[in-house]
Amino acid sequence: GNSVTQMEGPVTLSEEAFLTINCTYTATGYPSLFWYVQYPGEGLQLLLKATKADDKGSNKGFEATYRKETTSFHLEKGSVQVSDSAVYFCALSGLVYNQGGKLIFGQGTELSVKP
Amino acid sequence: DAMVIQNPRYQVTQFGKPVTLSCSQTLNHNVMYWYQQKSSQAPKLLFHYYDKDFNNEADTPDNFQSRRPNTSFCFLDIRSPGLGDAAMYLCATSSDTGFVETQYFGPGTRLLVL
Repeated sequence: GNSVTQMEGPVTLSEEAFLTINCTYTATGYPSLFWYVQYPGEGLQLLLKATKADDKGSNKGFEATYRKETTSFHLEKGSVQVSDSAVYFCALSGLVYNQGGKLIFGQGTELSVKP
Repeated sequence: DAMVIQNPRYQVTQFGKPVTLSCSQTLNHNVMYWYQQKSSQAPKLLFHYYDKDFNNEADTPDNFQSRRPNTSFCFLDIRSPGLGDAAMYLCATSSDTGFVETQYFGPGTRLLVL
């Protein structure tokens, strides 16, 4: 079936360190891919997305490239800040027409950035 | 700013006592979703409305119901909450359902069952 797998957390980094959170997917078609972020006690916010192979999504210094050959959508940031501490969810959708909003989430990766 | 609003942010109820959670949106989106998110887990879709059409997920317990009286509002009713229903409940919207639709989430309501 269709699924998303993320690297396990928690990930603990020092401020200004480089961040990579791995995400791979299994899908029967060509999904769109998303990264959502959830700050403590809050709902989910869309961080970035990519709708086709080789697309790069970017926002707030975060980037992720849709790699069809490796079925991956890894999240990267060159220099993390304490304010980036949150849980990050990789997700896919768009496999079935008229279910475009139906998201399949990974399990989430908690990021903790220390000063 | 256009947004998704959930009230209350925290709700305490007693075991077996019906409870209603509220969601409103100013985005004028056609689709509204309800998710359940337990601690350290991914959100789990319970159901969604496309306009007035209700779409239930196959594994959503009958204890969970929903109402959408108009475009702006959607309610989640838990008829007889159990201890296992304690969770964060997230409301989300999207413009349409098509192939790819970005979802916009509210801040969530954290439900505690005593």
